[in-house]
Amino acid sequence: NAGVTQTPKFRVLKTGQSMTLLCAQDMNHEYMYWYRQDPGMGLRLIHYSVGEGTTAKGEVPDGYNVSRLKKQNFLLGLESAAPSQTSVYFCASSYTWRIWLDSPLHFGNGTRLTVT
Amino acid sequence: GQQVMQIPQYQHVQEGEDFTTYCNSSTTLSNIQWYKQRPGGHPVFLIQLVKSGEVKKQKRLTFQFGEAKKNSSLHITATQTTDVGTYFCVQNTGNQFYFGTGTSLTVIP
Repeated sequence: NAGVTQTPKFRVLKTGQSMTLLCAQDMNHEYMYWYRQDPGMGLRLIHYSVGEGTTAKGEVPDGYNVSRLKKQNFLLGLESAAPSQTSVYFCASSYTWRIWLDSPLHFGNGTRLTVT
Repeated sequence: GQQVMQIPQYQHVQEGEDFTTYCNSSTTLSNIQWYKQRPGGHPVFLIQLVKSGEVKKQKRLTFQFGEAKKNSSLHITATQTTDVGTYFCVQNTGNQFYFGTGTSLTVIP
């Protein structure tokens, strides 16, 4: 099993350009998440999905959109990139949120995005 | 949003010394998870604590959940160079997982 796969690994954009990050998981997980990681700030939740066809906002959703048309895929879009969106983006999935079960987050390898 | 504070932000230790990182919350936590992220890597799950006062061990790592479920700690005995990385506590609030700011551990050989 590949687990969680993110594409691309690296990307450089100019201010105002758009792009889509793809996350794919082969573990049949219901829950999927997009995080961004900036130095000294840990990982912050952008958007998440609790199942196919559903999405919800996290801590820092502004400037991003997401879609979950298929259970295994979760797309993160930037419509008009800004330098403040320079970051490392991680996708993660989990089987369940139920706390009495050990259901950890499984992460992809990340996408390093630079906006100039 | 994020309610868990993690200290210290950075820690440098000589190989063989012990290391501890702490997570503190102003509210009661339903559970706490711990993750490790190696430099250039992605976070990897270590453990989950659910019960008040719970203590779990993984070899040289000891995880504790406070009696009031408002704090947690990770203690590493006799650090090794393989322990280098950033350790995060993570709060699960139902559908959402919120990360602490992390403690970056450097081990000096």
